Amino acid sequence: EVQLVESGGGLVQPGGSLRLSCATSGFDFSRYSMDWVRQTPGKGLQWISHISTDSRTTYYADSVKGRFTISRDNAQNSLFLQMNSLRDDDTGVYHCASGFLQNSFNYWGQGTLVTVSS
Amino acid sequence: EIMLTQSPDTLSLSPGERATLSCRTSQRVTDKQLAWYQQKFGQAPRLLIYGISSRVDGVPDKFSGSGSGTDFTLTISRLDPEDFAVYYCQQYTQSLWTFGQGTKVEIK
Repeated sequence: EVQLVESGGGLVQPGGSLRLSCATSGFDFSRYSMDWVRQTPGKGLQWISHISTDSRTTYYADSVKGRFTISRDNAQNSLFLQMNSLRDDDTGVYHCASGFLQNSFNYWGQGTLVTVSS
Repeated sequence: EIMLTQSPDTLSLSPGERATLSCRTSQRVTDKQLAWYQQKFGQAPRLLIYGISSRVDGVPDKFSGSGSGTDFTLTISRLDPEDFAVYYCQQYTQSLWTFGQGTKVEIK
C-alpha cells in the first residue's frame, strides 16, 4: 500500500521558518518525481514545488521562489520542504504528492497544517 | 501562467442525476496534460482522470472526461451518494502545475 505521511507543520510567526517532511512507503520512491501542493480555504489547491528523481531539477511557484527549498533523500524515501520568511498567506495544509500519469498526481499524503500568525 | 476557471462553483443535484462540470483554461492545453480530482471532506484529493479522458485504474466508468483546446468537461453519468464532493481540474505546462478553484457537487 502506498503511503505518504507529512509532518513538521505547526504555528509559526511571520518571518519564521519551518521544515516539512514527507515519509513514503509502498512504492519505489527513487523513481518518482515529487511535489508539494498546499490547500487553503481561500485559494483551494496550489502547486508549490517539484523535484526530479535525482534532485537535479527543481521548480517553484512564483509565490514561494527564493523562500522555500525542496529536497529529497532517496535512501530514506523522504521528501522535504524548507520554508523560510513565512508570511500570513503561506497558511494552509501542505500535501506531498507524486504521480507518473502525464504530470498529474495520483499519490497524495493527508497533509500537515501550517499556520503563520502573530 | 495558465489560469483554470471551473464552472459552476456549486452544482445542486439529486442522486441518480447526471453531473456536467466545466473547466476552461486561459491558454490551450498541450499534450493532453489535463486531469480531474475528487476531494471529500477531510481527505486528500483523489485522481480520477488524466490525459483529458483516461480513467485511473479502479475509477468507475460513470466518470468520464472530454474536451480539447481550452474547454474541458468532467461528466458523472449517474450520481451516487458517495459522489457528492468537490472536484478540481489541473493542468501542466512549462514546468508549472495549476489547479482550478473547484466545483462543489452537493445534494439538492
